[in-house]
Amino acid sequence: SQTIHQWPATLVQPVGSPLSLECTVEGTSNPNLYWYRQAAGRGLQLLFYSVGIGQISSEVPQNLSASRPQDRQFILSSKKLLLSDSGFYLCAWSGPPLSDTQYFGPGTRLTVL
Amino acid sequence: SQKIEQNSEALNIQEGKTATLTCNYTNYSPAYLQWYRQDPGRGPVFLLLIRENEKEKRKERLKVTFDTTLKQSLFHITASQPADSATYLCASQAAGNKLTFGGGTRVLVKP
Repeated sequence: SQTIHQWPATLVQPVGSPLSLECTVEGTSNPNLYWYRQAAGRGLQLLFYSVGIGQISSEVPQNLSASRPQDRQFILSSKKLLLSDSGFYLCAWSGPPLSDTQYFGPGTRLTVL
Repeated sequence: SQKIEQNSEALNIQEGKTATLTCNYTNYSPAYLQWYRQDPGRGPVFLLLIRENEKEKRKERLKVTFDTTLKQSLFHITASQPADSATYLCASQAAGNKLTFGGGTRVLVKP
């Protein structure tokens, strides 16, 4: 069966510090991968998605970036965090097409102080 | 623009009653709609998918309908239990053929 992992589970970072969140998927090959952010009490905001190694599509211009160095690894990064980057970050995977059912990881709660 | 919308107000319901949630879409015709459940501090979990040629779909105490004329899907939780308290999200294929999520409706089932 397929499983999706995210770490860390929680993170507290000062403004201006770098960020690296990692997501890995097991039990499937060539998945579509997604990064979402969810502010408190709000809906899901799609940040990035990837249909293959090295292929990244950005949905919202901001100081975050994503990379997919391996088939089942998706990384969310920032060089300098802003207060507004605080939120709940979720990684998800799906099979093709992009409209297929998505399966979410446990999430990372990021607080920028 | 293509939109998928849910009632942002929380739904408070007594245990044993039926909870009904609404998902409306505008300016497009999705081939199917999906429903997810999200508990606080966790990622959404897929519940049900209903296709445009299916009027109704059931899974245990859950029932989903899809009305292409009204451009609406209804999500019912029958014989609701406190354990059903969560936020429920609908989603469908929208702009760019990507899955787009509604804002979610929070359900609170009181004993």
